[in-house]
Amino acid sequence: GENVEQHPSTLSVQEGDSAVIKCTYSDSASNYFPWYKQELGKRPQLIIDIRSNVGEKKDQRIAVTLNKTAKHFSLHITETQPEDSAVYFCAAQDTGRRALTFGSGTRLQVQP
Amino acid sequence: DGGITQSPKYLFRKEGQNVTLSCEQNLNHDAMYWYRQDPGQGLRLIYYSQIVNDFQKGDIAEGYSVSREKKESFPLTVTSAQKNPTAFYLCASSLQGVGNEKLFFGSGTQLSVL
Repeated sequence: GENVEQHPSTLSVQEGDSAVIKCTYSDSASNYFPWYKQELGKRPQLIIDIRSNVGEKKDQRIAVTLNKTAKHFSLHITETQPEDSAVYFCAAQDTGRRALTFGSGTRLQVQP
Repeated sequence: DGGITQSPKYLFRKEGQNVTLSCEQNLNHDAMYWYRQDPGQGLRLIYYSQIVNDFQKGDIAEGYSVSREKKESFPLTVTSAQKNPTAFYLCASSLQGVGNEKLFFGSGTQLSVL
């Protein structure tokens, strides 16, 4: 089955700086890669996703890049704000079973 | 999202006891999922169901059981065979097909062992 690895496990940045979280996946047939944000005490929510036929997708301060050859994808947050502080999870769609496999999460802390 | 409800919010299990976590959705979603969340381990798939009366094991199904008798409901039973049940359990649902992979999560159930 699919295996997703995520780095780093914790990330601390100053407000206004950029943050980058990286994930690798094992199943070359995976074709859907979402990112979820989980604020403290709340449920995970989808913030952005990308499909395998696209190399990059942006939504305001958030962008995701995908390198199919290397089987890795990354989340980029620019001009970070304190409300960006949360745990971020990457995931890959397992085409064999049509369920998401998640990475281990990155705790992002944005220092004011 | 208000469309998917998990109960109870907190649950305590005694040794040798089976407990059932409830998950109900009114989003008319075909697919439902159970994930377990442990610190530093992300979300791990326990069971999932793409359609009523059918479900599949995920990566950590041992010690758990599910049923899908109704489209709206996907209860998870943590059996006494699950030796380390303390965790945060998240239920999710989604539509089917390409372009409909977005998961809608419930607010979770924290299970602890007495």
